[in-house]
Order: sequence, then structure tokens, then C-alpha cells
Amino acid sequence: QKEVEQNSGPLSVPEGAIASLNCTYSDRVSQSFFWYRQYSGKSPELIMSIYSNGDKEDGRFTAQLNKASQYVSLLIRDSQPSDSATYLCAVNQGGKLIFGQGTELSVKP
Amino acid sequence: DAGVIQSPRHEVTEMGQEVTLRCKPISGHDYLFWYRQTMMRGLELLIYFNNNVPIDDSGMPEDRFSAKMPNASFSTLKIQPSEPRDSAVYFCASSRRQGPGELFFGEGSRLTVL
Repeated sequence: QKEVEQNSGPLSVPEGAIASLNCTYSDRVSQSFFWYRQYSGKSPELIMSIYSNGDKEDGRFTAQLNKASQYVSLLIRDSQPSDSATYLCAVNQGGKLIFGQGTELSVKP
Repeated sequence: DAGVIQSPRHEVTEMGQEVTLRCKPISGHDYLFWYRQTMMRGLELLIYFNNNVPIDDSGMPEDRFSAKMPNASFSTLKIQPSEPRDSAVYFCASSRRQGPGELFFGEGSRLTVL
């Protein structure tokens, strides 16, 4: 089992819809979780961090964490074509930031 | 403030040659990370440093890979000898603290080994 798992996609949504990205992790003691966005040919950039169970909202982005289920998700409301990118889930495991394979999101105008 | 600076941006070399990738972290950042990204394996942590000291190199694939950080503003990742399977994008990232914390990535060095 991979330490951090994501559906590779591609996930295609129409403009204005909600995009839902999911991630599971294997290390139960992990305490901090991150979503990075990576545009094609570019480097990853942090868009959200979450440390407590529940939801955390930042603009059009909402991160959700359920430690009991070892599950993290990212919702993007009112998706825009500029949101088209690969989204990487990252988990701090023993001080190391471990990334999932990423989910490619395509937002169609 | 300048971001993480990596060089070269692109490197094409032949199997068996030595490759050296360079990184200048953001000033004031105590942690430096080397990652490798491929389509098959995604973004893998190779090694990270705290205050110029290597803390965890368990991700380094084999003895052909080595990394150094002689001072707070410079790090190298060396592959000797290089092999075609080393072809990947190598990212350097730095942070003020390891975690929780934000990693700032360089633009990456795309390596192609023929």
C-alpha cells in the first residue's frame, strides 16, 4: 500500500461546477496535511493546509480532514479553467512531507 | 526576496556521465529538500538537510546518488555514473521549519540521460 494515495484522474468538470479531490494516507499518527497545486511544467505550490478534523475554508477552496478514516479531501467551488492543474496531496509523516501521485483536474469552459 | 534557485534548468547527458545539480535555498530557511518527480513514481523525497546537516537520506536510490550542503546558501545533488532511469525532474525546496510548514520549490532541473 502506498503511503499517500490519490486517484490519478484525469478529473474533468465543467466551469462553475464543484471539483472534489480525494486522498487517503496510511500513517495513523500523521498530524499535518497539505494540498499543493502544480501547473504543467511548473513546480508545486501550497494552496491549503489542514491539521484538525473537519473543514477548513479559504476562498473557493475547502479542505476536509477525517483522521479516523485517514482521509483528506479538497473541494473547489465555482471551478475555473485556470484551476486546471495537477493537485498533490501531501502528508507529514515522521517529519517528512510525503506526496501522493497527484490528481489531474481539467475544467472545461 | 528571491525564491529557490536551481541550475541547470535542463540537462541532457549520456549514460555513465557525472551530473551535478545545484540549489540555492531562500535566505533564512533552515531546511532544504531534494525531490525527484517522474510520471511513474510521482514526487519522491530523496534527502533533506537541517542547518546544512543531512537528516534523512533514506530516499536516495543508491550509492550513485550523493548530496551535500557545504553552507546555508548552497546544495548539490550528484549522480555518478548516470543511467537512463535517472531521467526525471529534480526539485529542490526549502522551508523555515520542517513541519507543519510550507515548502517553497525551485523551478526544477529536468534531467535526460541518453
